[in-house]
Amino acid sequence: AQSVTQPDIHITVSEGASLELRCNYSYGATPYLFWYVQSPGQGLQLLLKYFSGDTLVQGIKGFEAEFKRSQSSFNLRKPSVHWSDAAEYFCAVGAMAAGNKLTFGGGTRVLVKP
Amino acid sequence: GAGVSQSPSNKVTEKGKDVELRCDPISGHTALYWYRQSLGQGLEFLIYFQGNSAPDKSGLPSDRFSAERTGGSVSTLTIQRTQQEDSAVYLCASSPMGTGGAEAFFGQGTRLTVV
Repeated sequence: AQSVTQPDIHITVSEGASLELRCNYSYGATPYLFWYVQSPGQGLQLLLKYFSGDTLVQGIKGFEAEFKRSQSSFNLRKPSVHWSDAAEYFCAVGAMAAGNKLTFGGGTRVLVKP
Repeated sequence: GAGVSQSPSNKVTEKGKDVELRCDPISGHTALYWYRQSLGQGLEFLIYFQGNSAPDKSGLPSDRFSAERTGGSVSTLTIQRTQQEDSAVYLCASSPMGTGGAEAFFGQGTRLTVV
């Protein structure tokens, strides 16, 4: 069965500093990988996705993520954080062979200090 | 076009009552998912529809939970004899073909409170 681990439950970062959120997945084949963001009281918004091809993917709001097969990782990065980036971030894996179920990590809550 | 729409946005119900939660997916999306988000539990998969059939119901927590989808569009999640542990945000998502090939788009959720 597929699984996703986000090792950091909370991260605090200063505005303007860089941000990296870790994501590790477990799946037997190449998965489809996603990062979603959830602001308080809101639904989930897709930041970026990886299906195949270039392992460095660009998303919305200045985010990027890198797929590393050897490390089973899909870490999310942003070079300079804005106060509006304070939210909860979820990594997810989807796979047709697994019945198309989207499996989420536990989430990382990001706090931005002024 | 419109995104995924869920109703009601908030629902307060008494323990033991039945509730119905509705999801209107994005037009043309064949795949539809229900998830539950509870404090301390993260995002739990409940059920997946492809068209009107549900090939994966493995996440439904008990037989009090059921879901249907009609016309390949609207879906209803029904919880019978609600319990306090059913309190959560219920999220619906739709996808053009399933997350093995495309991303899922989420609605704003229904916050269910059982008192």
